This record gives sequence, structure tokens and C-alpha cells, in this order.
Amino acid sequence: GQQVMQIPQYQHVQEGEDFTTYCNSSTTLSNIQWYKQRPGGHPVFLIQLVKSGEVKKQKRLTFQFGEAKKNSSLHITATQTTDVGTYFCAGPLAGGGADGLTFGKGTHLIIQP
Amino acid sequence: ETGVTQTPRHLVMGMTNKKSLKCEQHLGHNAMYWYKQSAKKPLELMFVYSLEERVENNSVPSRFSPECPNSSHLFLHLHTLQPEDSALYLCASSQGWADNYGYTFGSGTRLTVV
Repeated sequence: GQQVMQIPQYQHVQEGEDFTTYCNSSTTLSNIQWYKQRPGGHPVFLIQLVKSGEVKKQKRLTFQFGEAKKNSSLHITATQTTDVGTYFCAGPLAGGGADGLTFGKGTHLIIQP
Repeated sequence: ETGVTQTPRHLVMGMTNKKSLKCEQHLGHNAMYWYKQSAKKPLELMFVYSLEERVENNSVPSRFSPECPNSSHLFLHLHTLQPEDSALYLCASSQGWADNYGYTFGSGTRLTVV
């Protein structure tokens, strides 16, 4: 079945360093979404990318959707302790529509002050 | 407060018990979902409801039984669970049933089966 793969699984950075997580799908996606889950919390929707090659920014976060719409990345510039958490990408299942989102395993961001 | 409320926050139950998880959304969304989150596994979609009609059950064991009495409420009825069912159960809602809407998640129910 369709899979969404994320790397790395864990990323340790010093506060102030940059961070990037990558997401790859086995099939072309109509859109890709990114979520953040703080430790002990629940996933929170960050953004959705729809167009091929799309780039969106939210303050220090930059999201990209690949030209083939099979991969995506999230880049955080100058990480802060508030960025700690797990970042998930998610895409619609092969059937699309009401089939729900398939989530990657997530990248755990650990920041050392 | 996310607009999606789940109760209880924590639940410990024996394998022979019957319990129910409740989810309520006040966002006017038309689709609701149950996800299971276990350690070292991705979020697993269990059930999808669109306009109160179930559209996907994703091969979930029959010991999990969903109910959606109206577009604002979603239940997950549990019976004769196994220890491996211990996990965080997350409810989510979205504006429409199409896949172009972000999900709003509740805080989850942390379930422990003993």
C-alpha cells in the first residue's frame, strides 16, 4: 500500500542551528500536510502544500513540495527550544477523498541549549 | 483547547471490560476520524466518518466499534481488548471529507489495557 517515509527519525541540534526533515511518498500525492506534536501533546496542523514545486514560509519554517509531488521537506532556521517536538508529514491515501491521511513516522527534534 | 474535545484523557481497563471513548467537535466540521498512535509506529487511521456515514474502517479488529450519532460527536466503543491495544487514541475532524483540509486533533485518550 501507499507509504509515506520520513527521515531522519531523530535529529539532535544545538539551539540556533538549522534543522531539516524530509518526506517521501511511494506515489504521487494530491497534497501534503505537515503537523507538529509537542511532547505529551497531540498533532497540530501546520500547513498544506498543493502545487508542484510549491514553497511556503511561516516565520523560521520553510516548507517545500517537490516537482513530482512525491517528496517534501520542512526546514527550520535557527532553532529555538520551542521548536522541540515531532514533525509529521501526511498525505491522502491512494483512494483520496474520504479515505483519510497517511502519516509518516515523524522526525523527533531534540534541541540542546 | 483545540475545538475537538476527547474524554476521558486517561483510561485503564481490563481485558474483559467494556468502555467507550468520546469525541466532540465544535468547529462545524463534516468529517471525523479515529487514529491510533503507538510508540515507534506512525499514526494509524482506524475509522473515517463523513456526514455521519462511515466510509473507511481500514481493517480494524471488531473489538473496536465506532459510532457517529451526529456530525459533532464520535464514539469508539471498546470490548475485550488486548494489551497490545494500549496506545494514545486520537480523534480528529476536518472541514470536509475531501483530502484538501487540515485536520484538527483532540488531546487524545491514553488507553492502558491490563
